Amino acid sequence: SSELTQDPAVSVALGQTVRITCQGDSLRRYYANWYQQRPGQAPIVVIYGKNNRPSGIPDRFSGSSSGNTASLTITGAQAEDEADYYCNSRDTSGNHLEVFGGGTKLTVL
Amino acid sequence: HLQLQESGPGLVKPSETLSLTCTVSGGSIRTSSYYWAWIRQPPGKGLEWIATIYDSASTYYNPSLKRRVTISVDTSKNQFSLKLSSVTAADTALYYCARRDVDIVARIAYFDYWGQGTLVTVSS
Repeated sequence: SSELTQDPAVSVALGQTVRITCQGDSLRRYYANWYQQRPGQAPIVVIYGKNNRPSGIPDRFSGSSSGNTASLTITGAQAEDEADYYCNSRDTSGNHLEVFGGGTKLTVL
Repeated sequence: HLQLQESGPGLVKPSETLSLTCTVSGGSIRTSSYYWAWIRQPPGKGLEWIATIYDSASTYYNPSLKRRVTISVDTSKNQFSLKLSSVTAADTALYYCARRDVDIVARIAYFDYWGQGTLVTVSS
């Protein structure tokens, strides 16, 4: 089965730009989705597919991909963006199998 | 507005079977292009996908849990369920149910709606 690797922690100054990355072989074949999880809350999707934002997600969130690496970029990070972020994609072992990255804790300074 | 709600015992003894149900409201569980999934999160740790179901004949399991997991759907009640057998303390986690939206043409598959999660503790 596939694995997705994320940096455990990243920090960004308020208003600056931060990139959170996710690496894995499955990303050569499938898009990554990105989920935000604030403390005590269920995850919500912030980016899905090539670079799609659900309704209600600010346009400062964007996604990109190159080779085996997917990235979530927050342009002009806000205090409310401090959260855990998880990438997810389909597993190369099967079309409807899933895999999550270990998560990145984003701190907004 | 679609809502998912997990329910089930909060405490399960080691070696027993964990059983959870997810009730879907605000939409039909039979809608095509949607799959239904269970995902868990041990305290202080990351997310782990457990299983996904489309209909009774289309079920998909995490290989690391496949031997112990059964996912099922009851369309008459708009519910789907999870059973995890032979539980140990390592199965203590917050269990989420979620809807998986799939667009094969656009190569998109993601979890768009989540329940609030239910904590299951495995302890004697």
